[in-house]
Amino acid sequence: TQLLEQSPQFLSIQEGENLTVYCNSSSVFSSLQWYRQEPGEGPVLLVTVVTGGEVKKLKRLTFQFGDARKDSSLHITAAQPGDTGLYLCAGAGVQGAQKLVFGQGTRLTINP
Amino acid sequence: GAVVSQHPSRVICKSGTSVKIECRSLDFQATTMFWYRQFPKKSLMLMATSNEGSKATYEQGVEKDKFLINHASLTLSTLTVTSAHPEDSSFYICSARGGGLGTDTQYFGPGTRLTVL
Repeated sequence: TQLLEQSPQFLSIQEGENLTVYCNSSSVFSSLQWYRQEPGEGPVLLVTVVTGGEVKKLKRLTFQFGDARKDSSLHITAAQPGDTGLYLCAGAGVQGAQKLVFGQGTRLTINP
Repeated sequence: GAVVSQHPSRVICKSGTSVKIECRSLDFQATTMFWYRQFPKKSLMLMATSNEGSKATYEQGVEKDKFLINHASLTLSTLTVTSAHPEDSSFYICSARGGGLGTDTQYFGPGTRLTVL
């Protein structure tokens, strides 16, 4: 069974600070997605990373896929209150498995 | 971008009644749709995987007779919660995946809040 360990599960920081969220596994994934979810809404796709070592940037958010495609990180620079939400990583198995493996989620709160 | 809708967004029903939730992919054909359940402050829990024209594959512990899934077309899947009870109250979210959009990526609907009285 593939597992994704996401950390930290809770993070509360001040506006302007930087932060990193990690997703780690002992399994290899063909791709990994990052989602952001607000209360009462469905997850919204932020990025999909596919290639080992890949780095993608989305404004102040930087996503990295590990060289071995077993881990990923999300780094937010100069966090703003609008970044508050639940961040979810989800990996797709290499053997053509249809379903995603989700991390536990990181509940991020940015205080003004 | 890929858009997935869900209807209704919120439903309140009496114990013992059945509730149907619709999930539609609006701008792409979804070969596979997924149904999730989410408890407060928790991550998503996959309930079942649905491929168009075939029977859904349920995750361990999910009662297939309780949660009926139909995926009759490439743009529509439905989840029917039969004989709902208060413990079925939850946030239900669907997602859709189409081959042309990146095989692994799932696009999520806005969710349906079910409250069973």
